[in-house]
Amino acid sequence: ETGVTQTPRHLVMGMTNKKSLKCEQHLGHNAMYWYKQSAKKPLELMFVYSLEERVENNSVPSRFSPECPNSSHLFLHLHTLQPEDSALYLCASSQDRSLGDSYEQYFGPGTRLTVT
Amino acid sequence: EDKVVQSPLSLVVHEGDTVTLNCSYEVTNFRSLLWYKQEKKAPTFLFMLTSSGIEKKSGRLSSILDKKELFSILNITATQTGDSAVYLCAVGEYGQNFVFGPGTRLSVLP
Repeated sequence: ETGVTQTPRHLVMGMTNKKSLKCEQHLGHNAMYWYKQSAKKPLELMFVYSLEERVENNSVPSRFSPECPNSSHLFLHLHTLQPEDSALYLCASSQDRSLGDSYEQYFGPGTRLTVT
Repeated sequence: EDKVVQSPLSLVVHEGDTVTLNCSYEVTNFRSLLWYKQEKKAPTFLFMLTSSGIEKKSGRLSSILDKKELFSILNITATQTGDSAVYLCAVGEYGQNFVFGPGTRLSVLP
C-alpha cells in the first residue's frame, strides 16, 4: 500500500453521467498529478498541481476538469465522456523542491474507468 | 516535441539471464530521468538519475545515465520470474512536466 490512495478503484459510467475521481496523498508532498494510461500507449500527463497552482496539458479535452482544494487532495471531475476515454487514471504526488534538487513521483493504485 | 524512446519494446528471457533495457530521450529542459516497474496497476519507483556516469544500484538492478548521449540503461542480473513487468522510463523537466516512454515488457520464463 502506497501513501497515495485513489477512489473508486473501478468505475463504469454512461456517456451522459457526471462522476468524480478522488486522490489523497499522505506523504506531505506539495505537487500532485493526474495521468491517463490507455492500452498500448505511454502514460499521458493530464494535469499538474504544484503548490495548488495548476499546469495543464493543452491536449486534454474540457470534459475532464481537475480540482485541488489543498495539497493533500486532488479530484478529477468527469462529464459527458466518450468510450475512448476508458482507461486507467493514475494519480501521483511528489515533493517539488528548488531547481536542481532531485525528486520522484509516487503513484496511487489507479481508477479503472469504463465509459459505455 | 519532447519524446522518450525505449527499446526493446518487448523481451522474453529465461531465469538467470541478464537483461539491459534502453531509454533515450529528447527533451527541452532535462531535470531527471526516472525508472519505474509496473506489474499490475500503479508504477513503483526504481531509480532517479540526475548526473552522468554515476551508477545507481539496488540488489540485482542497476542504472546509469549519459547526459551527453541522452540515454540511460537499466540492467537486471540473474533475472527471476518476479522481474516480469513493464519497465517505464520517464524524463522530468523543469516546470513539473514528466514525459514517459512506451515501456519495455519483460517476461522472465522459469
